[in-house]
Formats: sequence, C-alpha cells, structure tokens
Amino acid sequence: SAVISQKPSRDICQRGTSLTIQCQVDSQVTMMFWYRQQPGQSLTLIATANQGSEATYESGFVIDKFPISRPNLTFSTLTVSNMSPEDSSIYLCSVTIGGGRETQYFGPGTRLLVL
Amino acid sequence: AQSVTQLDSQVPVFEEAPVELRCNYSSSVSVYLFWYVQYPNQGLQLLLKYLSGSTLVKGINGFEAEFNKSQTSFHLRKPSVHISDTAEYFCAVSDGGGSEKLVFGKGTKLTVNP
Repeated sequence: SAVISQKPSRDICQRGTSLTIQCQVDSQVTMMFWYRQQPGQSLTLIATANQGSEATYESGFVIDKFPISRPNLTFSTLTVSNMSPEDSSIYLCSVTIGGGRETQYFGPGTRLLVL
Repeated sequence: AQSVTQLDSQVPVFEEAPVELRCNYSSSVSVYLFWYVQYPNQGLQLLLKYLSGSTLVKGINGFEAEFNKSQTSFHLRKPSVHISDTAEYFCAVSDGGGSEKLVFGKGTKLTVNP
C-alpha cells in the first residue's frame, strides 16, 4: 500500500468561495482518483487524474466546478469552486499502485462544511 | 454499467456473534470485487479483495468473503465480531477488463453491541 495524506482534514467555508484540497502520496503512482461522499451516502467518483494529461470527469461533474491539477506522480489537487451548502461532503483521493492497478487505496478524506 | 447492491443499510449484532453483510453486483463477464471499511471520521481501509482464483477470500481483522458467480454475490462474513468492528462497510466492484473505476454500494452500518 501507500501512505496518502490530504490537506486540509476539515474546513468550514462560506458559500461562494472556493477551497483547494491537496492529496500527497509517499510513492509515485500513475492513477489518482477523486471521490465525493455526501452525508450518509456512498462514494461517487468525481474524476480520474493522470499525470501529464487532463482529468477525466464522470457524468454530473464538470471541470469549471471541480478543477483538478496533477503536476507530478505524487501530488494532486481538487478545487471545489463557488461553493454552496450542497457541496458539503467528504472528499477523498485514492491511488492505484504499481502493477496492482485494480486496487485503490484511499486517503483520510477532507470534511467540508459549506455555510 | 456496473451496479452494487448492499441489501442491509444497518446491521446490529451482539459482541462475539457471527455476522454476514450482503453484497450483490450486476452481471459482467469478469469483475474485481472489494470490501472497504470506514471507521468514524476516517477514510476507507481495504478489508479484502477478489481478483481471481479461490472464491473464498480472507482479509484483515478476521473477515472473509466468498465470491459466488452464479448468484453474483460477494458477501462478507466474520465468525465472531468485536466492539471495535463497529463501522461502515462498503462493497465495490470494477470491471475486470482493465477499467480502474470503482462503483460502490450504499454501505452497511455495522453496530456491535456489548
């Protein structure tokens, strides 16, 4: 597995503002993923981020709302733009490692509350 | 597209009792199956996975799961639970054809009572 950290661990934000979430991995990984977990719900994939290419977004998620950067093989950011209370969720990043690309390992998550 | 059904949203059990958390997935030629656990205020931890081979998979913390292709199921079991097993459990599936995308079930909240 890998050690995955996320910053911030939690935040309370005002509507209309933006928050950038960082995901750091202690080893180089090819695939990084960003998920949203709304209160009391399961995880929904937002986008897949490969280093050196544009992120691939799932249906219902757009780049203007959730811009993603992937500047190198150990780091990615997700920005939640122009936030509304409906964006209150846990945001998690995950990675696949080495030859075991089928298995995803998750970070601790960022707990976001939008007022 | 794949889908995952976790039939029980909540499962209360007493300590040292056996437990089974049910998971069914939509049919596909080949799939990879996973169980993750989420303790309160934490991220997801991989419990076990089925990629191929033996249909009985053993994971961490004494959990095991059995892949049943004919019933498209991947139920999670533990013969004797502890208070510390109280958590949310998620079943997930990805296509065995090379897509890394995971589809999650809605989760089962396991509560172990003394």
